[in-house]
Order: sequence, then structure tokens, then C-alpha cells
Amino acid sequence: AQSVTQPDIHITVSEGASLELRCNYSYGATPYLFWYVQSPGQGLQLLLKYFSGDTLVQGIKGFEAEFKRSQSSFNLRKPSVHWSDAAEYFCAVDRARGAGSYQLTFGKGTKLSVIP
Amino acid sequence: DGGITQSPKYLFRKEGQNVTLSCEQNLNHDAMYWYRQDPGQGLRLIYYSQIVNDFQKGDIAEGYSVSREKKESFPLTVTSAQKNPTAFYLCASSVIGERYGYTFGSGTRLTVV
Repeated sequence: AQSVTQPDIHITVSEGASLELRCNYSYGATPYLFWYVQSPGQGLQLLLKYFSGDTLVQGIKGFEAEFKRSQSSFNLRKPSVHWSDAAEYFCAVDRARGAGSYQLTFGKGTKLSVIP
Repeated sequence: DGGITQSPKYLFRKEGQNVTLSCEQNLNHDAMYWYRQDPGQGLRLIYYSQIVNDFQKGDIAEGYSVSREKKESFPLTVTSAQKNPTAFYLCASSVIGERYGYTFGSGTRLTVV
């Protein structure tokens, strides 16, 4: 079964420091991978997505992620964190449910706190 | 601007009462989804629909019901059979067959007292 693991429940970084959020997936075929961000009490906003091609993908708000097939990973990175990046981050992989239908399976999320 | 509207943002109900959460989209998306979010649990799929008058159970459908009478609307009813209904509920939509991810609403926080 397809699954997504985010090993870190909570990460705290200082403003201006670099950030890496980990995501490992289990999927039998070529995965379509996503990172979403959620501010408290809000919906999810798509940060970036990977389908194929270049394994380093750029997203909004200065985020990037690298797909590593050999490690089944899709880690999210940002060179310099801003206080406004404090939020919860979700990694997701879509899974086939037949008849051309796909549904997203989400990891349990990583909460990011930023120290001023 | 196109998007998904969930209402109300906060909802309080007494135990044993059914309650319906609204989800409307004007993105012309065929597929719509309901997720439940609990702290530390991520998002879990309740129901999804790919076409009007058709829907399928997700991973945690027990105690919930849905309808899809219009393409734009996908209301979720939390019934009295749902043992632990207090949660944050998210609605999403997507284009079928395009694996480009979902557009999410801003959620409804349901508290049952």
C-alpha cells in the first residue's frame, strides 16, 4: 500500500537558518509527489509538486524539494527561514484508485516553529 | 476568483445531533473530496465523488454521509453514529485524471459538546 512518512513531528529553527523537512514514500510506480503548507485554522496551500524530469523542483515562497528515487525521499528545503514560514507542512503522494482516478495520501505533517 | 468555499468556519452541536457541513466550488472541477484532520493524524479521506450523483467511501466513512446533486456542491453530514466527531474538516476538489493535486477550502472546525 502507498504511504507517506514524515519522521519529524515538530521542528524548531531560528529565523534565517536553513530548513529541511523530511518525507519518505512507499509507492510501486512512478510517484507524483506534493508538499502542502497549512497555517493554523486554514486550508492547505500547494507549495510544489514533482511529476518527472528534473529531480530538484522549485516552489512558491522560496521552497524547493529534491526527489531521490534511490532513497524514496522527497525532502523540502529552504535556504533561509522567515518567521512567516511557521506552519504545518504535509507531504503527499497520489495513489491510483482505478478508472483514471487518483487520490492523495498525506503524511501526518511536520509542525515548524521559528524562533525570532 | 475561482475557489472552494466551506461554511460555516466554526460549528457547535450537541451530542446526538446530525450536522451538515457545506462545500461549494466554482472551479468547474469534477472531483470533490472530504478529509478529516485531527492533531498528529494528518488528513484522512472520508468520501470522494467524481461525478454528480455518485460517490465512494474513503478510509474513514463510518458515521458520515454525503450527497452530490450538483457539480458545484458536495455537502458532508456528520451523523450521530460518528463516535468522535469533533475535528477539523477540509473539502477539496480536483480535475479528474490530472495528477496535479487538489485545491482546498479553508475548513470547518466542528465541536460536539
